[in-house]
Amino acid sequence: AQSVSQHNHHVILSEAASLELGCNYSYGGTVNLFWYVQYPGQHLQLLLKYFSGDPLVKGIKGFEAEFIKSKFSFNLRKPSVQWSDTAEYFCAVNAGYSSASKIIFGSGTRLSIRP
Amino acid sequence: GAVVSQHPSRVICKSGTSVKIECRSLDFQATTMFWYRQFPKQSLMLMATSNEGSKATYEQGVEKDKFLINHASLTLSTLTVTSAHPEDSSFYICSASSGGVGELFFGEGSRLTVL
Repeated sequence: AQSVSQHNHHVILSEAASLELGCNYSYGGTVNLFWYVQYPGQHLQLLLKYFSGDPLVKGIKGFEAEFIKSKFSFNLRKPSVQWSDTAEYFCAVNAGYSSASKIIFGSGTRLSIRP
Repeated sequence: GAVVSQHPSRVICKSGTSVKIECRSLDFQATTMFWYRQFPKQSLMLMATSNEGSKATYEQGVEKDKFLINHASLTLSTLTVTSAHPEDSSFYICSASSGGVGELFFGEGSRLTVL
């Protein structure tokens, strides 16, 4: 069965600091990987996704993530965070090739940015 | 972008009653919808996968007779919590796929409180 681990439950940074949120998954086959973000009081929305090709994926709002197959990891990074990045971040994985393939979420990392 | 709407956003009910939550895709047809449950400060737990015109597929440990899912059309899925009890109090979130692999669009969520 697939599973996703996010190591940091709560990360507190100052504005302009660099960010890296860890994500590891367990699944032996080909996977699709995602980072979703949930801003306070809003829906979950997609930050970025990896299906194949270049393992360094760029998403919205300056975020990027790197897929390292040998480490089963898909860490999220941003060189310089802003106060508006305060949110809950979820790593997710699915192992299918159709729209019916379910997505499994990690436990989430709450990011708090100090102004 | 694609919009998914859930209704009601909040519902309070007495123990033993049933509650129905609707999930609609407003500007696209969703062949597959997913129902998640989110406990405070925890991740989204997939409850079931709902396919239009067929029975839902429930995750292990989710009681299908307790959480009735109906996906009668390409734009509407409903989750009915039958004979609700206080332990069913939670945040229920639906998501829908427009056909693209892995990218989900999320509803606003419905907070159920069972007294």
